[in-house]
Amino acid sequence: GAGVSQSPSNKVTEKGKDVELRCDPISGHTALYWYRQSLGQGLEFLIYFQGNSAPDKSGLPSDRFSAERTGGSVSTLTIQRTQQEDSAVYLCASSLDLTGGRGAAEAFFGQGTRLTVV
Amino acid sequence: GESVGLHLPTLSVQEGDNSIINCAYSNSASDYFIWYKQESGKGPQFIIDIRSNMDKRQGQRVTVLLNKTVKHLSLQIAATQPGDSAVYFCAENIGYGGATNKLIFGTGTLLAVQP
Repeated sequence: GAGVSQSPSNKVTEKGKDVELRCDPISGHTALYWYRQSLGQGLEFLIYFQGNSAPDKSGLPSDRFSAERTGGSVSTLTIQRTQQEDSAVYLCASSLDLTGGRGAAEAFFGQGTRLTVV
Repeated sequence: GESVGLHLPTLSVQEGDNSIINCAYSNSASDYFIWYKQESGKGPQFIIDIRSNMDKRQGQRVTVLLNKTVKHLSLQIAATQPGDSAVYFCAENIGYGGATNKLIFGTGTLLAVQP
């Protein structure tokens, strides 16, 4: 696609429910990132995909958070048993593959999914 | 731990003046840095990047300076315009060129341009 697309744009869920957030990266971008941004804060790294594998998932806050990527394209971030502290904007970004010394490239961000847990 | 921080959380400038946004980073292994602009309700947008083998890079109305000795990064915006009002983030690339890769972002600086 023309840019990184995320859905839904807004999600309100009840505490304890599971949610799935979707990210469609730019076509051809093998690297994909998930970040979380609380109100007025910076971007907190969650997980990084290279193709379908996740060499770095060090930022996932707890085992309630998981992410997968299929076909080297679409990624879903799943939050189980949501808590109020999970409320934030979840941002997805994609870029050309930066590994192996192939050179740096910027990450392009989607508009984010605003998650509100009530 | 790894962190990127900003010296000034809010910067207010007059339209037409030059703006300087500062950033400190702590990971000496980082060798690629990016500045992003985030407008309200939108995702961050790439402005300019710089590699550690450079100390200055210029774009259109923007200049990034890198001082590796003191681990300091700055973004200069010339002739600031109302459309420049946004939150600006610096980010360092951890693992660039290696087996993994991620961007570590700072808290951000809100740039408010006064007409």
